[in-house]
Amino acid sequence: DIQMTQSPSSLSASVGDRVTITCQASQDISNYLNWYQQKPGKAPKLLIYDASNLETGVPSRFSGSGSGTDFTFTISSLQPEDIATYYCQQYDNLPRDTFGQGTKLEIK
Amino acid sequence: EVQLVESGGGLVQPGRSLRLSCAASGFTFDDYAMHWVRQAPGKGLEWVSGISWNSGSIGYADSVKGRFTISRDNAKNSLYLQMNSLRAEDTALYYCAKEKRNFDWSLILGYWGQGTLVTVSS
Repeated sequence: DIQMTQSPSSLSASVGDRVTITCQASQDISNYLNWYQQKPGKAPKLLIYDASNLETGVPSRFSGSGSGTDFTFTISSLQPEDIATYYCQQYDNLPRDTFGQGTKLEIK
Repeated sequence: EVQLVESGGGLVQPGRSLRLSCAASGFTFDDYAMHWVRQAPGKGLEWVSGISWNSGSIGYADSVKGRFTISRDNAKNSLYLQMNSLRAEDTALYYCAKEKRNFDWSLILGYWGQGTLVTVSS
């Protein structure tokens, strides 16, 4: 099975900061990588699919990049409403999938 | 507007069964693969099972294979998860989720319900 290593597990940043989360796959997954945001008490929300495609309606401060085994999720200017836990998810190894362990983002 | 509404959760004893339902609306249900994803209290996300738009392809996580059965009724716009031989470790919030693209099984989960809580305890 493909293993996803997401880091960091938690992150504290200030409003306006650039925030970066990484996800590493144990083997090549091409661009089969999604990013989700989960706010406290809410269902997850798709932000980025196919590694770099912004889901409709998602603010442009969110972006994703990478291919193969190394992927990056970036918030260009952190806003208070971005407080959430972020998950990467690979979908190369079907029918199974793997979510990363999550990154809990807090405001400093 | 896409809506996914889960139901059927509750408190159940270990070894017993429970059937979850997900009522879908706002899209052409029989064009989309559907999935169940769970989240144990304070933990991360775990994909549980998925079913293609025509029930031709079905998959399960190793942790539930042989105990859980996914199904759908396209005439009723509904997704189901029959859970047998429940264990304490199955305690979680169970989400119903819809594929982003029609006639595709990429596990790009574009819409999620709010979840139904399953608690397995004696």
